[in-house]
Amino acid sequence: GAVVSQHPSWVICKSGTSVKIECRSLDFQATTMFWYRQFPKQSLMLMATSNEGSKATYEQGVEKDKFLINHASLTLSTLTVTSAHPEDSSFYICSARGAGTLPYEQYFGPGTRLTVT
Amino acid sequence: KQEVTQIPAALSVPEGENLVLNCSFTDSAIYNLQWFRQDPGKGLTSLLLIQSSQREQTSGRLNASLDKSSGRSTLYIAASQPGDSATYLCAVRRSGNTPLVFGKGTRLSVIA
Repeated sequence: GAVVSQHPSWVICKSGTSVKIECRSLDFQATTMFWYRQFPKQSLMLMATSNEGSKATYEQGVEKDKFLINHASLTLSTLTVTSAHPEDSSFYICSARGAGTLPYEQYFGPGTRLTVT
Repeated sequence: KQEVTQIPAALSVPEGENLVLNCSFTDSAIYNLQWFRQDPGKGLTSLLLIQSSQREQTSGRLNASLDKSSGRSTLYIAASQPGDSATYLCAVRRSGNTPLVFGKGTRLSVIA
């Protein structure tokens, strides 16, 4: 149980375009979702936290107009990277917790590799 | 702000060796600490979770200890195998409602 999926697993886009990454909780209702970013050989850095039906809370230094997060349902959150640039190339990992899971446990998706050319 | 440090950054050992990975955190007011494994280009696999009231957790060849007052945790891997090669991440949570804060990880290579 407590499976989180991400789609796509990898994506290549041209500079200036937008790309959307989906995060789904497959067997539980995700009341809270977290989006992390990981650069090569670096740690996972929290970008934002979103509660279902509410606006996301962004960490300091993360541009909310560039990284649009939507958490409109209890099983789906999306991260849209707008006007992507090569420096946005990274590994994006979502994490979810919610009803039916262990208390306060976070379940992680497999990640999405974004390459901006 | 919580900072998590992992030492060493990389480690290479021969197969069969026992090894210890270290994790330290600056704010001892944590709710729990968790160790993860990450294979190259992949997501995270949870290995062990230690609540703040616990001193250690064991799973198979893995043993994690927690000394909350000193802000330290260790992950002990017994009889290492090539399949243990991965990056090991340590993460802490301040309270039940806050997200995990990660260290940079230790890249482990076990040589056959």
